[in-house]
Amino acid sequence: QVQLVQSGAEVKKPGASVKVSCKASGYTFTDYYIHWVRQAPGQGLEWMGWSNPNSGGTNYAQKFQGRVTMTRDTSISTAFMELSRLTSDDTAVYYCARAIILRTNTLADYWGQGTLVIVSS
Amino acid sequence: IQMTQSPSTLSASVGERVTITCRASQSISSWLAWYQQKPGKAPKLLIYKASSLQSGVPSRFSGSGSGTEFTLTISSLQPDDFATYYCQQYNSYSEYTFGQGTKLEIK
Repeated sequence: QVQLVQSGAEVKKPGASVKVSCKASGYTFTDYYIHWVRQAPGQGLEWMGWSNPNSGGTNYAQKFQGRVTMTRDTSISTAFMELSRLTSDDTAVYYCARAIILRTNTLADYWGQGTLVIVSS
Repeated sequence: IQMTQSPSTLSASVGERVTITCRASQSISSWLAWYQQKPGKAPKLLIYKASSLQSGVPSRFSGSGSGTEFTLTISSLQPDDFATYYCQQYNSYSEYTFGQGTKLEIK
């Protein structure tokens, strides 16, 4: 069965960076994109971007450009999301999601369990 | 593209029929998905391409609409359905936007 298992919770200081991992199993890792979505406490879902595990290509939401980097290691079927220059506004649960590749877009179907990132001095 | 859901909160009883609306700021054809999220859990895909039911999702869930106006209907609410629902547009490779969410509460 499809599973996305994310790394554990992190506590970071303002100005630091955080790197979250997302290990995929139960499907061919390079046949699907990986989306990253975050959710601040008590708030809605915010799309951050996607990575293409096959090519390494990425696309980031404008809000995060220059601060986010999405990578992958196909040898271990794992995607990574690194967010730099953290502020308290980045405190959130970060989700990865597998995305079906369609002709003109992609659709997130299976999600990881989420990784809580707390930014606090 | 902005996505606007209404209502923000909905109180209903078991067995009731409920409808949630999602409006896009410009046409997205039928590229709309609905997700259900329970507290402390990841979102779950319910509906894709506006009206297609994801495998394993109960048939009491249905979606409709195209262009800029969409609805999610639950025909007969079950206790397990009380959750927050989000619409998401996926009209292109480069931009994906969620609605602000609709919290479905027990009346």
